[in-house]
Amino acid sequence: AQTVTQSQPEMSVQEAETVTLSCTYDTSESDYYLFWYKQPPSRQMILVIRQEAYKQQNATENRFSVNFQKAAKSFSLKISDSQLGDAAMYFCAYNGNSGYALNFGKGTSLLVTP
Amino acid sequence: DTAVSQTPKYLVTQMGNDKSIKCEQNLGHDTMYWYKQDSKKFLKIMFSYNNKELIINETVPNRFSPKSPDKAHLNLHINSLELGDSAVYFCASSQGVGTGLYWSSYEQYFGPGTRLTVT
Repeated sequence: AQTVTQSQPEMSVQEAETVTLSCTYDTSESDYYLFWYKQPPSRQMILVIRQEAYKQQNATENRFSVNFQKAAKSFSLKISDSQLGDAAMYFCAYNGNSGYALNFGKGTSLLVTP
Repeated sequence: DTAVSQTPKYLVTQMGNDKSIKCEQNLGHDTMYWYKQDSKKFLKIMFSYNNKELIINETVPNRFSPKSPDKAHLNLHINSLELGDSAVYFCASSQGVGTGLYWSSYEQYFGPGTRLTVT
């Protein structure tokens, strides 16, 4: 089974600064997808960004970008110009060729300070 | 319009009771899921249905039974509730993922979650 590891239980960043959240995964598959989901205090799960493993280009969504290193099995999320509304739990997730479930990491709690 | 809805959002009940959580999606998706988020925020798949057919049934006690009356609904029934069942339960849906060489993985849209508290 694939495992997803988020080694940072908590992170803190000041408003307007940049922060990087780490994620590594273990798989023997060559074709898969990776996701970052955000869970604010409201509990709603929100997709932040999606990366296809066969694409070498790193995905970006406005202030959010990833550093996808397939050989190293690393998938970090960079948040630029951090805003108070970015404060949330961030989950890294893997979806392999079964296609039917996300394997989540344990999450990183991001605190944004003024 | 709510894409994935769950009812109820909060459920407090006593040990031994039977309860149900309902989920509906209006996105026209083929695949629906149930995830459990424990007290440490860890999310784990419980069940997955594709076109009303059970695809994934993780190691979940038999007391949990999903039922999909149609593609837009996936309900979760829990019998003989135990203290350890206390958690947040999320329903989610996505487009069909295909199989073999032509599979893909689409965004999963999550419901607001149901916080179940067993006393």
